[in-house]
Amino acid sequence: GAVVSQHPSRVICKSGTSVKIECRSLDFQATTMFWYRQFPKQSLMLMATSNEGSKATYEQGVEKDKFLINHASLTLSTLTVTSAHPEDSSFYICSARDTGLFPYEQYFGPGTRLTVT
Amino acid sequence: KQEVTQIPAALSVPEGENLVLNCSFTDSAIYNLQWFRQDPGKGLTSLLLIQSSQREQTSGRLNASLDKSSGRSTLYIAASQPGDSATYLCAVRDNYGQNFVFGPGTRLSVLP
Repeated sequence: GAVVSQHPSRVICKSGTSVKIECRSLDFQATTMFWYRQFPKQSLMLMATSNEGSKATYEQGVEKDKFLINHASLTLSTLTVTSAHPEDSSFYICSARDTGLFPYEQYFGPGTRLTVT
Repeated sequence: KQEVTQIPAALSVPEGENLVLNCSFTDSAIYNLQWFRQDPGKGLTSLLLIQSSQREQTSGRLNASLDKSSGRSTLYIAASQPGDSATYLCAVRDNYGQNFVFGPGTRLSVLP
């Protein structure tokens, strides 16, 4: 089946620094990718939708200047958490939609655990 | 706005039992519904995907049903095993933005 990878799988950073998370679709093209956040013992919440070559669409309550999303190619989207704070510590999961093949299934990455100290 | 709920929130059963997990959604205009498994600290594993035109899907010991008109889906696990212990998430993909809306999950523990 289709594979979505994320890098890194875990990252620890100091408060005030920025961290970049990569999401790649390995064997399909993904015009649309999604970023989710999951806090402990909670479900996944959609943060933003990114479309290749255009600006991301952010969900209500998500700061676009803090969570920078770039979807520069059909197989890569990046999420940069700028000026990270401890409350940004969470599990970030990306998802990519196979827009080349109906019914355009969506595949999920393995997640990135971010810890801000 | 689509809302997804799951019952029960947690379930603990002895090995070998058959069990049913429930998922409800408020807007029946869905594209599809998908059941996922998530192990602690890990990503999602897709279990079953039901398109809006389908009534059920089966894979091994798993069977998922969909009643779109009533906004319900069930995941049936036969002959449960300790390895089935995980959180099970139900997610609905709508017809509009086609984004997934996730339920809160059911934490399953199967005791040996």
